Amino acid sequence: EDQVTQSPEALRLQEGESSSLNCSYTVSGLRGLFWYRQDPGKGPEFLFTLYSAGEEKEKERLKATLTKKESFLHITAPKPEDSATYLCAVQTGNQFYFGTGTSLTVIP
Amino acid sequence: GAGVSQTPSNKVTEKGKYVELRCDPISGHTALYWYRQSLGQGPEFLIYFQGTGAADDSGLPNDRFFAVRPEGSVSTLKIQRTERGDSAVYLCASSQLGRHTDTQYFGPGTRLTVL
Repeated sequence: EDQVTQSPEALRLQEGESSSLNCSYTVSGLRGLFWYRQDPGKGPEFLFTLYSAGEEKEKERLKATLTKKESFLHITAPKPEDSATYLCAVQTGNQFYFGTGTSLTVIP
Repeated sequence: GAGVSQTPSNKVTEKGKYVELRCDPISGHTALYWYRQSLGQGPEFLIYFQGTGAADDSGLPNDRFFAVRPEGSVSTLKIQRTERGDSAVYLCASSQLGRHTDTQYFGPGTRLTVL
């Protein structure tokens, strides 16, 4: 059964305290892995797409990596404005499976 | 360029009523998806359109749910005989299918409350 699991469910960081969010998956025929940011009351905002193991992408303080079984979203020196829920999704065929997200709070 | 828009932003209805939720995708995007998101959960796939046709409707929970996209652009999600369990945020996303990228861009969602 295709499955996506994100951990931790919630994470509180001090401003400047780097950390990583995890997305582990079991799907047949991965076409892509996606990271989204979701603020309260809004739709998910696209961050990254990764297609193959070993691939890495960066944007400002965020860096996403992919292995055959999991992806990490590394946050370097986070700021309070990075507080949000981070969602991971995997695509197999035309289907997209989302995890339940990691709620990140960055404390000034 | 405009992003994905959804109307209404909020919809309150009574149990048993019929509702329609509208999605305007990004211009030129051929693929359109509907999702349902409950509190504390990730989006749950409902239906996928490629052009005017529903290419995959396996996520629709039952026959009270139906969606159309008659001209390959705007889509409407229709829910008949609404139940309290239908309360959720309904998200629409669109993508420009390509060889390597099916990246979806989401709208702000419609929050449906069934009383």
